[in-house]
Amino acid sequence: ILNVEQSPQSLHVQEGDSTNFTCSFPSSNFYALHWYRWETAKSPEALFVMTLNGDEKKKGRISATLNTKEGYSYLYIKGSQPEDSATYLCAFWSGYALNFGKGTSLLVTP
Amino acid sequence: DAGVIQSPRHEVTEMGQEVTLRCKPISGHDYLFWYRQTMMRGLELLIYFNNNVPIDDSGMPEDRFSAKMPNASFSTLKIQPSEPRDSAVYFCASSLRDGYNQPQHFGDGTRLSIL
Repeated sequence: ILNVEQSPQSLHVQEGDSTNFTCSFPSSNFYALHWYRWETAKSPEALFVMTLNGDEKKKGRISATLNTKEGYSYLYIKGSQPEDSATYLCAFWSGYALNFGKGTSLLVTP
Repeated sequence: DAGVIQSPRHEVTEMGQEVTLRCKPISGHDYLFWYRQTMMRGLELLIYFNNNVPIDDSGMPEDRFSAKMPNASFSTLKIQPSEPRDSAVYFCASSLRDGYNQPQHFGDGTRLSIL
């Protein structure tokens, strides 16, 4: 089992704030890094799949960057909205399986 | 296109009983994954299949757990006999070929409670 660490564990921001979380993963034997959004009582939903060092992906107000050499990825949310409240999971594909972090739980209050 | 379909959504049964969870992946997806989600361990991979063949089952907790994929549109995860510590949410997910660079599509999960 490979260690995928996410920080912070939880985050509470006000509507309109911008925020970011970190995902750390082993820098050796890298294949891909996935980000998923998981709303309460629903199933995880894919946000990004990143495979190249320096990759930047964007979907609306959410974006992500990837540094495979140092083993980290950042997820950014610009102008958070209450509907962004969810757990954000990152997962590292090691070559044979996807290893998930424990997630960052985001709460956005009006 | 229908997503990944899991059944049942909820299962409550007594310790010692056999439990069978079912999954229908998205049509055309080559990979199928079974995960277990608990508060303590988060989302952990149990087993995955590529083209109906089990590739890695190192996450299966013990011999009480077994999984099959008899065809491309159906998979089962069986627990026999079940124990209270098996209580968790079990997710099935599928993805296209070259699973590492394709997003996984998750079903709604089965919430299992063993009394």
